[in-house]
Amino acid sequence: DTAVSQTPKYLVTQMGNDKSIKCEQNLGHDTMYWYKQDSKKFLKIMFSYNNKELIINETVPNRFSPKSPDKAHLNLHINSLELGDSAVYFCASSQDRGGDRGLPNYGYTFGSGTRLTVV
Amino acid sequence: GQSLEQPSEVTAVEGAIVQINCTYQTSGFYGLSWYQQHDGGAPTFLSYNGLDGLEETGRFSSFLSRSDSYGYLLLQELQMKDSASYFCAVRGGYSTLTFGKGTMLLVSP
Repeated sequence: DTAVSQTPKYLVTQMGNDKSIKCEQNLGHDTMYWYKQDSKKFLKIMFSYNNKELIINETVPNRFSPKSPDKAHLNLHINSLELGDSAVYFCASSQDRGGDRGLPNYGYTFGSGTRLTVV
Repeated sequence: GQSLEQPSEVTAVEGAIVQINCTYQTSGFYGLSWYQQHDGGAPTFLSYNGLDGLEETGRFSSFLSRSDSYGYLLLQELQMKDSASYFCAVRGGYSTLTFGKGTMLLVSP
């Protein structure tokens, strides 16, 4: 019973193509994210959605377009793929705890990742 | 902006104790988290400190000092399966996490 599932797991494609990665969570979380992990394992936020609304867009090229049809889904569409887009893309979800630092926090639940290779 | 510093690599032997430090500079701080990631796997949540002090979860403990902008992850009774990358992450506004660059822990027999 996968909590955060993303597909596909691997994606090999040519420069200039358009591709999509799908993500679904069954945890009932309010917030979903896309992170990019580069070859040096650096995890960087790309987008954050709360209840289908875009909250964070971290200077990502507009070739990347997230779409959230409902709060359980956050898909990522990438146009005109470039070599530098090769990375592992992780979807994640969390339950927003607001500003109270003292509340228990169960962190993000990540999907298994999509390894994108642009050739 | 936010930046986090943690060692790039730590080595230890089975059964030992290891501490991974993390210092941070942030414009907004709501807590420090730790994640474990095995090669080829997804990051998994280990612990969270929203307030100063020590949090213990089995063999793992995490500590936070907000006045020093410092935290650490303590792993006890190390096992081979603990070989992985460990990331500290600062929780900012809208629950967004900014991750450090990760510490690769190598546990040898």
